[in-house]
Amino acid sequence: ETGVTQSPTHLIKTRGQQVTLRCSSQSGHNTVSWYQQALGQGPQFIFQYYREEENGRGNFPPRFSGLQFPNYSSELNVNALELDDSALYLCASSVTGKNTEAFFGQGTRLTVV
Amino acid sequence: AQSVAQPEDQVNVAEGNPLTVKCTYSVSGNPYLFWYVQYPNRGLQFLLKYITGDNLVKGSYGFEAEFNKSQTSFHLKKPSALVSDSALYFCAVKGYGQNFVFGPGTRLSVLP
Repeated sequence: ETGVTQSPTHLIKTRGQQVTLRCSSQSGHNTVSWYQQALGQGPQFIFQYYREEENGRGNFPPRFSGLQFPNYSSELNVNALELDDSALYLCASSVTGKNTEAFFGQGTRLTVV
Repeated sequence: AQSVAQPEDQVNVAEGNPLTVKCTYSVSGNPYLFWYVQYPNRGLQFLLKYITGDNLVKGSYGFEAEFNKSQTSFHLKKPSALVSDSALYFCAVKGYGQNFVFGPGTRLSVLP
């Protein structure tokens, strides 16, 4: 086990709704990142937080937003859900640095209907 | 832009035989390369990384990877495959920030 936990594990939402996904980082890690993994594809970077500030973002629209809290837990919020948002959402925690690996949670499977 | 290619969607190997999962990369500057494995309905598990130094990197569960700068490759290897190694394998490079850029994945099937 990595020590990174995500909730919920599965979620079904209707198009147009909003969703919040949660992540508890591994102890001692100060950086959290979120990735979207569509079926049959590799994970795509959404954004990263370091010390409660967003410090990197992938090619995702502003309706994808996030927060990092002082205890290094994190949230991913998605507004105005679209069918294409259906995917596995992965949270990764790490110590900051180019040479450090990240530890991933088990993911949240989001289905938009 | 940083990118990773995994030229094989699927690799099949018999149990006990050596396995290789291929990865090539394109980066500007020094490459920071990683391998992750994903089992069904699970997140990604870190296997190993290359940062600098010895071109042969040893990792978890008997896996190793060979870094080849001239061929821009970072192939994952294991001398003797187990049925339990069957999973989805991702090669990744650190991007301009500290995010990972993942390849499309290679599905490994180890046949008993």
